[in-house]
Amino acid sequence: KQEVTQIPAALSVPEGENLVLNCSFTDSAIYNLQWFRQDPGKGLTSLLLIQSSQREQTSGRLNASLDKSSGRSTLYIAASQPGDSATYLCAADSWGKFQFGAGTQVVVTP
Amino acid sequence: DVKVTQSSRYLVKRTGEKVFLECVQDMDHENMFWYRQDPGLGLRLIYFSYDVKMKEKGDIPEGYSVSREKKERFSLILESASTNQTSMYLCASSLLSGKKETQYFGPGTRLLVL
Repeated sequence: KQEVTQIPAALSVPEGENLVLNCSFTDSAIYNLQWFRQDPGKGLTSLLLIQSSQREQTSGRLNASLDKSSGRSTLYIAASQPGDSATYLCAADSWGKFQFGAGTQVVVTP
Repeated sequence: DVKVTQSSRYLVKRTGEKVFLECVQDMDHENMFWYRQDPGLGLRLIYFSYDVKMKEKGDIPEGYSVSREKKERFSLILESASTNQTSMYLCASSLLSGKKETQYFGPGTRLLVL
């Protein structure tokens, strides 16, 4: 069974610093790896999706990498802003079912 | 614009009540999912459906059932609510799996069982 882990569970950084969020998964047989953002009390919003054949995806200040062989993905957020404060979840899509990590709660202080 | 809606944002029910949570998507998606989210545990899949009248158990189906009579609507049913079912419930939908398709999420229903 696929297991997804996110470390750390929480992170606080001053505005302007780069953020590095880690995601690891146990089964490398995935269709894709996806990163989501969740604001308090809200649903999830997709940020980036990396197909299994890709090594990274970029959108604006966000960059996500995927290393299937080591079972790892990393989300980089450049020049963090207070509006980036949220919980970030990764999900591994294995055979049509998404297995989520517990998330990393990020606080960016002004 | 893509849209997944859930019938209630907040619900308070009593132990033993039958509870219906409704989810509707307007994107003509084949797949629909129900998750529950608890602090420290992330999202856990309860049930999913890949077509009308089709359903598959997820990781934690005990105490729940589902219904999908129409493509756009997926209902989660708590036959006899218990306090350990107090949680945030999230519905999602997606196109066919195995391709570059994301899941789109509703805003969630926060259920409190007293």
